[in-house]
Amino acid sequence: QSVLTQPPSVSAAPGQKVTISCSGSSSNIGNDYVSWYQHIPGTAPKFLIYDNDKRPSGIPDRFSGSKSGTSATLGITGLQTGDEADYYCGTWDSRLSAEVFGTGTKVTV
Amino acid sequence: EVQLLESGGTLLQPGGSLRLSCAASGFIFSSYSMTWVRQAPGKGLEWVSSISAAGDDTFYADSVKGRFTISRDNSKNTLYLHMNSLRAEDTAVYYCAKVFYRFGQFDYWGQGTLVTVSS
Repeated sequence: QSVLTQPPSVSAAPGQKVTISCSGSSSNIGNDYVSWYQHIPGTAPKFLIYDNDKRPSGIPDRFSGSKSGTSATLGITGLQTGDEADYYCGTWDSRLSAEVFGTGTKVTV
Repeated sequence: EVQLLESGGTLLQPGGSLRLSCAASGFIFSSYSMTWVRQAPGKGLEWVSSISAAGDDTFYADSVKGRFTISRDNSKNTLYLHMNSLRAEDTAVYYCAKVFYRFGQFDYWGQGTLVTVSS
């Protein structure tokens, strides 16, 4: 079982906004940076956010990240049908000495 | 263009061994740490193992420690995952990924290779 908890699913209409939460603890999110990934089944996962709130080159500003304490949030504005995917948060857990991913959230547009 | 191409996935019986490969191109392979991540059917992403750029530091998830070995050949731009004592719960798509600039940040991923462990 993952130590990072995400809602199983979120949905919104095209053009609207969704937020995805990622809840952890002091040994993971509370102690390190958070990354976010988009995964369309059957394809390579895509790097969306690093260092809690930074976007890699090529990622539109419709995607945003934030962190507060032991929780992180991914926001997606101006939803498009192409945004339908599974989204995962990830960070390092110092107690487990392991990289950990969230449980994953399916976004439906 | 960065490309990561995994290979070696197959169907095999419990207790068997397998070596996965990940051929890298489009970046200076020897300058970056690399990682294996897997996804079991119907499940989420699970980190498996990571290796430093020079290959002198390796890290493993508890679920594979002692059974899997990560390695790399920088002269061949190739990452490996040696898997022994395979179990049904190791059944998954295995992805290799390039570390961005620190562990925990994976900026490029391959398409994955399927390993099925079943009798």
